[in-house]
Amino acid sequence: DIQMTQSPSSVSASVGDRVTITCRASQGIASWLAWYQQKPGNAPKLLISTASTLNRGIPSRFSGSGSGTDFTLTISSLQPEDFATYYCQQADSFPRTFGQGTKVEI
Amino acid sequence: QVQLQESGPGLVKPSQTLSLTCTVSGGSIDNSIYFWSWIRQSAGKGLEWIGRMYASGSSNYNPSLKSRITISIDTSRNQFSLKLTSVTAADTAIYYCAREGATISNKYFDSWGQGILVTVSS
Repeated sequence: DIQMTQSPSSVSASVGDRVTITCRASQGIASWLAWYQQKPGNAPKLLISTASTLNRGIPSRFSGSGSGTDFTLTISSLQPEDFATYYCQQADSFPRTFGQGTKVEI
Repeated sequence: QVQLQESGPGLVKPSQTLSLTCTVSGGSIDNSIYFWSWIRQSAGKGLEWIGRMYASGSSNYNPSLKSRITISIDTSRNQFSLKLTSVTAADTAIYYCAREGATISNKYFDSWGQGILVTVSS
């Protein structure tokens, strides 16, 4: 199985801050990576697909980059509604696997 | 806009079979550009992909669960289902059904159900 490792596990930030979350795959996955946002009590929501493609309706303050084994999710200016847990997921091979999550909190 | 809704018992006894159904509305489960998947989330293991099925019947399962899981699809009811046998406390989790793209430009889980908490306990 491909292991997805996120860092940090949690980050404390303020409204307006730039936040960067890293995801590392245990082997190369080209650009087959997605980022999801999950708020308490809700299902994960697809933010970014294929490493850098913003899903429909997702604000442009979210961006993704990377390929191979190292990927980044950046929130350029944190908004109150962005406090949540973020997960990366590889779609290169089976079984599909997720990172352990990064909690963005105040 | 497609919506997915899980249903089934919230409590299952150890060694018994967990059975869940996902009802899809706002779109046909017969759509050839999607797979229909199950994912679970527990405090101990985070998000874990269980498996997926295509309307044609082809499927992929997580090897760690393969011996215990069956995913089936009922196109006439626009539903798909999960059966997990011989459950233990380790199977306690929130179970999500989700739609996964089946094209090169979309291989991701773009729609999810709200999730259903299943507790394994006597």
